[in-house]
Amino acid sequence: EIVLTQSPATLSLFPGERASLSCRASQSVGIYLVWYQKKPGQAPRLLFYETSNRATGIPARFSASGSGTDFTLTISSLEPEDFAVYYCQQGSHWPTFGQGTKVEIK
Amino acid sequence: EVQVVESGGGLIQPGGSLRLSCAASGDTFSTMFISWVRQAPGKGLEWVAIIYPDDRTFHADAVKGRFSISRDNSKNTVFLQMDALRVEDTAVYYCGGADRPNRGDYWGQGTQVTVSS
Repeated sequence: EIVLTQSPATLSLFPGERASLSCRASQSVGIYLVWYQKKPGQAPRLLFYETSNRATGIPARFSASGSGTDFTLTISSLEPEDFAVYYCQQGSHWPTFGQGTKVEIK
Repeated sequence: EVQVVESGGGLIQPGGSLRLSCAASGDTFSTMFISWVRQAPGKGLEWVAIIYPDDRTFHADAVKGRFSISRDNSKNTVFLQMDALRVEDTAVYYCGGADRPNRGDYWGQGTQVTVSS
């Protein structure tokens, strides 16, 4: 099983600040890395697939990059609605998720 | 956009059975990869099962032999039959669809499954 390690576990930032989230895989997943946003009581929301392809309706302040084992999700300027938990997920083998990074208001 | 709605959750005793349903809108249902993912209380997300358009199925080791995913394209519905339920199966179960495997583009709001005596 491919293990995804996300860091940091929690990111405390002010609205307007830049957020940088990391996802590291225990072995190469190629380009098959997906990012989701999750809020309590809501469905997961697809942000990016195949590393850097932005899903429909995702604002341009979100960007994603990486390859192989190291991936990054960046939010250039946090809006109030961006405070949530972000999960990475690999689709190269049996799908697995990272443990999540909580982006909270400072 | 595809809409997904899960149903069938509830409170069940250990060893019992439940069948979850996932209804999806749209003309492309039969070509979609449909997955079940769960989130236990205070925990992260865990992939449970996936069914391909050609009816191939795959299940997580934690549920293999107890859970079974199936689909009825005539009803745009996917099912998750859950048998021999354990306390550790307690979670919100989400259904997701995509046009590629091992990914979820559209997700429902989830259905709560609680296994407790």
